[in-house]
Amino acid sequence: QLVETGGGLIQPGGSLRLSCTTSAFLIGSNHMSWVRQAPGKGLEWVSVIYTGGNTYYTDSVKGRFTISRDRSKNTLYLQMNTLSAEDTAVYYCAQSRLGNRKSFDIWGQGTLVTVS
Amino acid sequence: QSALTQPPAASGSPGQSVTISCTGTSSDVGGYDYVSWYQQHPGKAPKLLIYEVFKRPSEVPARFSGSKSGNTASLTVSGLQAEDEADYYCSSFGGNNNWVFGRGTKLTVL
Repeated sequence: QLVETGGGLIQPGGSLRLSCTTSAFLIGSNHMSWVRQAPGKGLEWVSVIYTGGNTYYTDSVKGRFTISRDRSKNTLYLQMNTLSAEDTAVYYCAQSRLGNRKSFDIWGQGTLVTVS
Repeated sequence: QSALTQPPAASGSPGQSVTISCTGTSSDVGGYDYVSWYQQHPGKAPKLLIYEVFKRPSEVPARFSGSKSGNTASLTVSGLQAEDEADYYCSSFGGNNNWVFGRGTKLTVL
């Protein structure tokens, strides 16, 4: 129900913008996060945008990544700047809808970002 | 924030039960009832199994259950089936509007 696009091969120091869209619900009606997974590694939470618009980031991407949404396009974004090899991962967007919205209940299929 | 501690591997025979632990600190697992568990098959996106320690989304079988004691949460898979072979991750809300995941447990159905 969530579809991510925008991944690809990018040189170190470069920028990339990921998008996440859905036709199943309104992006702005739930908390939305980005979670990444480096090749062969575990999951790492990256960023969240709350329904009210507040945004938060994991320390390693603060100042480099920006999460945002466009309600008119029903799309979530992740602008990634100053990329390094450590950012190489599959990036998933995920919705938090259940309960107090502290879990990730719907995930996209992921988009691969390779920094090399 | 450090990753939550999970055993790297677990195993069980079909029909048996297996429990996977997830240990954090009083700043995450112990401090909030916001532990969730995810199942991930190779090459697939994670799937939510348990949220808020013990709650199950409607589509998740009752064979999956969660609990917590102090700084350690647990996922129990009862009546193991071949399709349960996957990687399992725990996650906890960390309070400072961030989340932390465990490093994952590879479950093998013997």
